[in-house]
Amino acid sequence: DVKVTQSSRYLVKRTGEKVFLECVQDMDHENMFWYRQDPGLGLRLIYFSYDVKMKEKGDIPEGYSVSREKKERFSLILESASTNQTSMYLCASSGGGQGEKLFFGSGTQLSVL
Amino acid sequence: KNEVEQSPQNLTAQEGEFITINCSYSVGISALHWLQQHPGGGIVSLFMLSSGKKKHGRLIATINIQEKHSSLHITASHPRDSAVYICAVPPNFGNEKLTFGTGTRLTIIP
Repeated sequence: DVKVTQSSRYLVKRTGEKVFLECVQDMDHENMFWYRQDPGLGLRLIYFSYDVKMKEKGDIPEGYSVSREKKERFSLILESASTNQTSMYLCASSGGGQGEKLFFGSGTQLSVL
Repeated sequence: KNEVEQSPQNLTAQEGEFITINCSYSVGISALHWLQQHPGGGIVSLFMLSSGKKKHGRLIATINIQEKHSSLHITASHPRDSAVYICAVPPNFGNEKLTFGTGTRLTIIP
């Protein structure tokens, strides 16, 4: 069974903390994505990676960075968490072809206090 | 950037009713995605289509490329169909960076 696994379901952090969100996929997919989901705004792309060590900014990259050292793992980093980064974070992956089906993790609800 | 509009935002129906959810977009695309999100957050890809119609069980997705419009239909709706349904499109032909609609919250009452 194909899987995208996010390391935490719920996370509570303090303002200014460095936060790591981990995502692992077991499908040998080239593409991996980090989205955040906020009520009324839908899913918005933070960063996208199309290969190991390759990344592209999405629509809302400010305040975030990413790391992809291995094909199966894509990490989202909040360098200094702020309250406006409280959100649901979703990781997804897809194969390398155009318009490939997306597979999502179950999400991490992050609260920054 | 491709603009995506879904309608309705919320839909409540009785069990057994035929359901239609609509999605319109502004820029020509290679394929459109329909996704389902249940309470608790998990998102499942239902369909990816570039033309015509696709069917999976009681779910049917159609797309009209010329009109830049897609519909998701559910026949013989059931309470377990209650979820948020989201359409997503790339910004242009062949790009993976999808733009998502804000979703349609469907509630099926027994």
